[in-house]
Amino acid sequence: DVKVTQSSRYLVKRTGEKVFLECVQDMDHENMFWYRQDPGLGLRLIYFSYDVKMKEKGDIPEGYSVSREKKERFSLILESASTNQTSMYLCASSFWGQGSSSGNTIYFGEGSWLTVV
Amino acid sequence: QKEVEQNSGPLSVPEGAIASLNCTYSDRGSQSFFWYRQYSGKSPELIMFIYSNGDKEDGRFTAQLNKASQYVSLLIRDSQPSDSATYLCAVNLSGGFKTIFGAGTRLFVKA
Repeated sequence: DVKVTQSSRYLVKRTGEKVFLECVQDMDHENMFWYRQDPGLGLRLIYFSYDVKMKEKGDIPEGYSVSREKKERFSLILESASTNQTSMYLCASSFWGQGSSSGNTIYFGEGSWLTVV
Repeated sequence: QKEVEQNSGPLSVPEGAIASLNCTYSDRGSQSFFWYRQYSGKSPELIMFIYSNGDKEDGRFTAQLNKASQYVSLLIRDSQPSDSATYLCAVNLSGGFKTIFGAGTRLFVKA
């Protein structure tokens, strides 16, 4: 089974703090993702990475950065947390696939609930 | 802007009935399509994926894909109260790098 582990499940941080969300996957997947999920807005892609040290902006990268120093680990960084970043953050991974394979299937971690006060 | 559209619901069906969930997408070059189930407070879990036109069955679930109409659906037969959840449609965009999600349809199965 694919295992995507988010180390922090529930966090409460103060406005202006630097926040690190860590994610590790154990399936040697090339691709890793960070989404946030908010009521009424669905899942929105923040950043993704298709290789070590590579990163691409998703749809809502503002206020976030990422780091991928090792293939299995993808970190999301909030440089200066703000109250509008209160959300559930989902890390995910996938492998490359074409056509009939199960590739590109996104596997999610359990989520990190972040509250910024 | 590539989009995935779903009816937000809620969709309410009686126990034992067929639940039908629908999704449309805008990227005509998309190749892979996915259905996820998400219980309240939990992360999405994969139900099934489909990549060819037609039907794909897995137990009580059937995914249907029509690329010409850019339409994906999920049928749940013999619906159970435990199927009550939000169902997310996801589309892997042409190029393979990004997967985008619909906002989800809430399903209630009444006992």
